Formats: sequence, C-alpha cells, structure tokens
Amino acid sequence: DTGVSQDPRHKITKRGQNVTFRCDPISEHNRLYWYRQTLGQGPEFLTYFQNEAQLEKSRLLSDRFSAERPKGSFSTLEIQRTEQGDSAMYLCASSLLQENTEAFFGQGTRLTVV
Amino acid sequence: GNSVTQMEGPVTLSEEAFLTINCTYTATGYPSLFWYVQYPGEGLQLLLKATKADDKGSNKGFEATYRKETTSFHLEKGSVQVSDSAVYFCALVTDKLIFGTGTRLQVFP
Repeated sequence: DTGVSQDPRHKITKRGQNVTFRCDPISEHNRLYWYRQTLGQGPEFLTYFQNEAQLEKSRLLSDRFSAERPKGSFSTLEIQRTEQGDSAMYLCASSLLQENTEAFFGQGTRLTVV
Repeated sequence: GNSVTQMEGPVTLSEEAFLTINCTYTATGYPSLFWYVQYPGEGLQLLLKATKADDKGSNKGFEATYRKETTSFHLEKGSVQVSDSAVYFCALVTDKLIFGTGTRLQVFP
C-alpha cells in the first residue's frame, strides 16, 4: 500500500467556480478525515467519516462545503461557489478504527482561488 | 473543548544545539499525544507518540514524555542537524486529531 493519496495536488480556480477533491485512504483504514491548513497555521479539522458514515462536521464547514464517502473507501470534498478565503491546503488523513490512534496524511491538495 | 498550545517560532539553532519545543494541552478524558513533522514541500509525517501518562515517545533522536500532571508533551533533541529543519506540530487525539499551530525549526551549519 502506498499510503494516503490525494488528487489533484494543485488546483487553481476562478472565484465562483465549484471544485472537487479526491482522497484514497490506506485500504484497511475505517476512518477518514479532512483538514484545512493555511500558511503558518496548524491543520484545522473539517469533518470525518467512519466507514461511509459522516460522524462530525466542524462549524468551520459552511454550507458550500460537502464531503462524501459513498462506499466507505475513497472520499470527495466539494466546495461550491469558491471564494478567495477558501485558498488553502486541503489535507486528507486516515486511521484505524480504534480510539486514540494516529492518523496518516496524504500530500494534500493546494487550492488557489483567483 | 480539546486544544493544544505550542510555542511560537521560528526556533533558530546552530547544528548540534539542544532543542526544546514546548507543548501543553487541554483535554477531557485520556487523549493520546503526538508530534508530527512537516518537511519543506512534503506532507505531515508522524514523528512520535505516547498513549498514556508517563509514556515516552522517541524517534530519530527526538523524545517527548506524556506529563499528565503538567498537561505537557514537550519535544526534545539533544543535538539537532540541518536536516531537522521543518515545522513541528503537537497534536492530541480522542476521536479526532487536534493540532497546535506549529513551530518552525531552522538549523544552521
């Protein structure tokens, strides 16, 4: 297994457009997380899934953001009507089901909204 | 809610100097604690972890001890190298990972 994979690595979009990112977790991992990281800050939690169920969404996640994990494997994060403030690195991570276990991160998708 | 506070950077050191990066946490329950590292142009990597009080995590010469009485998990290395230059993140987990803001370490020859 090659670890957590994210696609694309970079995305430049015009304000108002919709974008979708994909994350493929480590195959045996039940949990999948999305984080957002801006320059000089730590990753901020957005949402996470246990198998196909979305268990928690951060208050940071506006109605323009939606995430899915339809078959409990890969996940997508969609941002509708992008704004310049959405420019950030979007990180995906996965982990085993046990509580208090570490998560493994992908390389991230860097979004630039112009 | 759960949170992590770590010292602001950048931390600038000469090669072979001693490193300490402070981290304290606030949490309900009994979290596990982690240090992640982000090298330039790369993704987050787990550096070390500790799952219960008084555990010491260690890797690549770095160490951190889970101190419940002071709610701390300070990162230390006895002799840093230029290749250790990176951003270091302290984190805790119960159901999800919560990160500190990160500390940039710059090591000069």
